[in-house]
Amino acid sequence: KQEVTQIPAALSVPEGENLVLNCSFTDSAIYNLQWFRQDPGKGLTSLLLIQSSQREQTSGRLNASLDKSSGRSTLYIAASQPGDSATYLCAVRHNFNKFYFGSGTKLNVKP
Amino acid sequence: GAVVSQHPSWVICKSGTSVKIECRSLDFQATTMFWYRQFPKQSLMLMATSNEGSKATYEQGVEKDKFLINHASLTLSTLTVTSAHPEDSSFYICSAKAESNQPQHFGDGTRLSIL
Repeated sequence: KQEVTQIPAALSVPEGENLVLNCSFTDSAIYNLQWFRQDPGKGLTSLLLIQSSQREQTSGRLNASLDKSSGRSTLYIAASQPGDSATYLCAVRHNFNKFYFGSGTKLNVKP
Repeated sequence: GAVVSQHPSWVICKSGTSVKIECRSLDFQATTMFWYRQFPKQSLMLMATSNEGSKATYEQGVEKDKFLINHASLTLSTLTVTSAHPEDSSFYICSAKAESNQPQHFGDGTRLSIL
């Protein structure tokens, strides 16, 4: 069974820092990997989607990489801002249906 | 972009009552819908997968008689928590997708609090 782990569980940084969130998964036979943002009490906002054949995706200050063979993905956030404070979830998709989610990294960016 | 609407966004009710949550795809036909549950400080866990017109497939450990799922049309799925108890208090999120190779689109979630 696929297991998705996110490290660290929580992270607090001063505004302006660059930071990296890590995601690892045990079964490399994935269809794609997706990073989501979740604000307290809210649903999910999709940030970046990386297909299994891709190595990275970029959107604004966000960059996500995928190393399928080693079962790892990273989300890089450049020049962090207080508005980036949220929980970031990594999810892998095995087939056309199921997502397996990590437990998330709670990010706090201090002004 | 594709929109999934979930209703209600928040519900508080007494123990023993049944609660229905609706998930609608507003601008596409959802052949498949998914229901997730998230307990505080934990990740989302898939509860069940439903295809329009057929019975839902439940994940291991999810009681199908407790969590009734109906996907009667291509734009609507409902989750009914029957005889809800405080331990059912959680955040429930649905997602929907059109064809098999299309992305999932998530609703905004329903916060269920059972007193």
